[in-house]
Amino acid sequence: DTGVSQDPRHKITKRGQNVTFRCDPISEHNRLYWYRQTLGQGPEFLTYFQNEAQLEKSRLLSDRFSAERPKGSFSTLEIQRTEQGDSAMYLCASSSPANRQNIYSYEQYFGPGTRLTVT
Amino acid sequence: AQSVTQPDIHITVSEGASLELRCNYSYGATPYLFWYVQSPGQGLQLLLKYFSGDTLVQGIKGFEAEFKRSQSSFNLRKPSVHWSDAAEYFCAVGTGTASKLTFGTGTRLQVTL
Repeated sequence: DTGVSQDPRHKITKRGQNVTFRCDPISEHNRLYWYRQTLGQGPEFLTYFQNEAQLEKSRLLSDRFSAERPKGSFSTLEIQRTEQGDSAMYLCASSSPANRQNIYSYEQYFGPGTRLTVT
Repeated sequence: AQSVTQPDIHITVSEGASLELRCNYSYGATPYLFWYVQSPGQGLQLLLKYFSGDTLVQGIKGFEAEFKRSQSSFNLRKPSVHWSDAAEYFCAVGTGTASKLTFGTGTRLQVTL
């Protein structure tokens, strides 16, 4: 059973540089979510996709952040002109197709995360 | 907007003792409630969830939680804690159809031998 995978696991970058993270969801899951977790806090929602469509974005997702999910499979999260405040764990999650009969669509399965450190 | 409060930042229990982690939520309609566990440097693992029906739900690793609508609570319990249960525990509420989760700030569990 292949879970959600994320790459890289760790990224150290200098302020002002651009970074890109990748998430591969569980294969039959059509919903994909991005969250950000800072030290001592719970994860905070950033955005989510259903197939290739980005359906919701948090106000936390500034214009320096962009997420894509081409072809409805893997997703990338890019941060441009990184700032020290972007240092966090970026978590990806996926869930199975949503319909009224499928209660399991409410379950989100998380990947191991990408820890970003901006120096 | 929905919110989750976990009033205990840090809890220490002895191995073999019982455990209860508190969670209170705020949401106007019937919530979907979850408990996740996170080990250091790892992602989150789903322990259990409440969607509807029986208010006492069983999860993995011997955990259970009880939904109490009148108290807006969803406390996590385990009758006998093992050293391997030391981790960070997050309560979360979901709304709508498979939409975003709102998490609490977490409770760090330390287990003494």
